[in-house]
Amino acid sequence: AQSVTQLDSQVPVFEEAPVELRCNYSSSVSVYLFWYVQYPNQGLQLLLKYLSGSTLVKGINGFEAEFNKSQTSFHLRKPSVHISDTAEYFCAVSFFGNEKLTFGTGTRLTIIP
Amino acid sequence: DGGITQSPKYLFRKEGQNVTLSCEQNLNHDAMYWYRQDPGQGLRLIYYSQIVNDFQKGDIAEGYSVSREKKESFPLTVTSAQKNPTAFYLCASSARRSLGAQYGYTFGSGTRLTVV
Repeated sequence: AQSVTQLDSQVPVFEEAPVELRCNYSSSVSVYLFWYVQYPNQGLQLLLKYLSGSTLVKGINGFEAEFNKSQTSFHLRKPSVHISDTAEYFCAVSFFGNEKLTFGTGTRLTIIP
Repeated sequence: DGGITQSPKYLFRKEGQNVTLSCEQNLNHDAMYWYRQDPGQGLRLIYYSQIVNDFQKGDIAEGYSVSREKKESFPLTVTSAQKNPTAFYLCASSARRSLGAQYGYTFGSGTRLTVV
C-alpha cells in the first residue's frame, strides 16, 4: 500500500537551533515529494519539492530536504530556526501514475524564544 | 495576481441546513480538489475534478456534493447528511492532470465552517 508518515506530531525547538522534521513513505513505484507549510488559519504554501535529479532540494525560508530512496525518507531541515517558523508542516507524496497528492498528518513546529 | 479564492472565510451553519463553499481559480489549472482538515488528522480528500463536468469522490465524500460547470469554479455543498461538518475546508488546484501531481498544488486560504 502507498502511504506517507510523519513521525512527530509536535516538535518544540529553541530559537536559532537546528531542526529536522521527519517524513517517510511507502511505495513500490516512483514518487514525487513535497513539503508544505501552513500558518494559523491559512492555506498551505509550497516550501520545496523533489521531482528528480539532485537528492538535496533547497526551498524557501532557508529550508532544505534530502531524498533518500533506500530509506524511503524525505526529511526537512533548517540549520537555524526563527520565531516566524512557528507553523504546521505537511509532507506530501505523489505516486507515479496517480494524479493526487497523499498528505501526512502534519508536524506542528513550535519555536521557543 | 493568479491564485485561488475561497469564500467566505468563516461560515456558520444551523443544524439541518445546507451550505455552499465557493472556490474560484484564475490559474487556468485543469484539476481542482476539496480537502477537509481536522486537528491531528491532516488533510482528507472530499472530492476532486480533473476536467469540466466531471468529478470523483475522494476518501470522505459522504454528506458532500460538488459541481464543475466552469474550469474556474468548483463549489462544495455541505449537506444536512454530513453529521459532523465543523472543520476547516481547503480548496486546491493543479496544472497538469495527465502528468500526475508533479507540479504540486496551489491552495486557497480556506473556509472555517462551524455548526451552531
